[in-house]
Amino acid sequence: DAKTTQPNSMESNEEEPVHLPCNHSTISGTDYIHWYRQLPSQGPEYVIHGLTSNVNNRMASLAIAEDRKSSTLILHRATLRDAAVYYCILRDPQGGKLIFGQGTELSVKP
Amino acid sequence: KAGVTQTPRYLIKTRGQQVTLSCSPISGHRSVSWYQQTPGQGLQFLFEYFSETQRNKGNFPGRFSGRQFSNSRSEMNVSTLELGDSALYLCASGTSGIHEQFFGPGTRLTVL
Repeated sequence: DAKTTQPNSMESNEEEPVHLPCNHSTISGTDYIHWYRQLPSQGPEYVIHGLTSNVNNRMASLAIAEDRKSSTLILHRATLRDAAVYYCILRDPQGGKLIFGQGTELSVKP
Repeated sequence: KAGVTQTPRYLIKTRGQQVTLSCSPISGHRSVSWYQQTPGQGLQFLFEYFSETQRNKGNFPGRFSGRQFSNSRSEMNVSTLELGDSALYLCASGTSGIHEQFFGPGTRLTVL
């Protein structure tokens, strides 16, 4: 299973953009890049996914490097409710399993 | 649409006992995956079931087993419980063609 590397923790100020990086140098050509987050005392929650092109949804944007060896999750305006552990995951399109790394714990200051 | 439900939410057992946890996926979802979350190891994949067949399995001992019923509900069983099995057990459901996995709130198992 391909691995991802993320910083252990990051801090942000409320209402400012947040860029959460992820390295995945061993990604295969068919692996999708997924992001999930886990708020305190809850199960993980899907945020966004992509394959090659940058993606946007109501929660966030995903910027994928041209060589696909890294990606960045962008929260455009962080709120206190965005404080969570964010996981970057590579997923085989054929398999259902998600291989979680240690994730990045994001704290948001008012 | 109701979300993924897991029962029970909390459970206390003693070493050597066995336990069965239940997961009801979102209606129409045929895939159910199980994960173990501990402070030391983080979130680890246990197994995945699709249409009553185990499709993927993680690196856990044979004491951990699961099954899926025809209505897609799934159970996981842990036999001969050890202290290290204390964890949050999460299940997630999904469906073909949709990348998103939907997680339940988890079952908190404490082994004394």
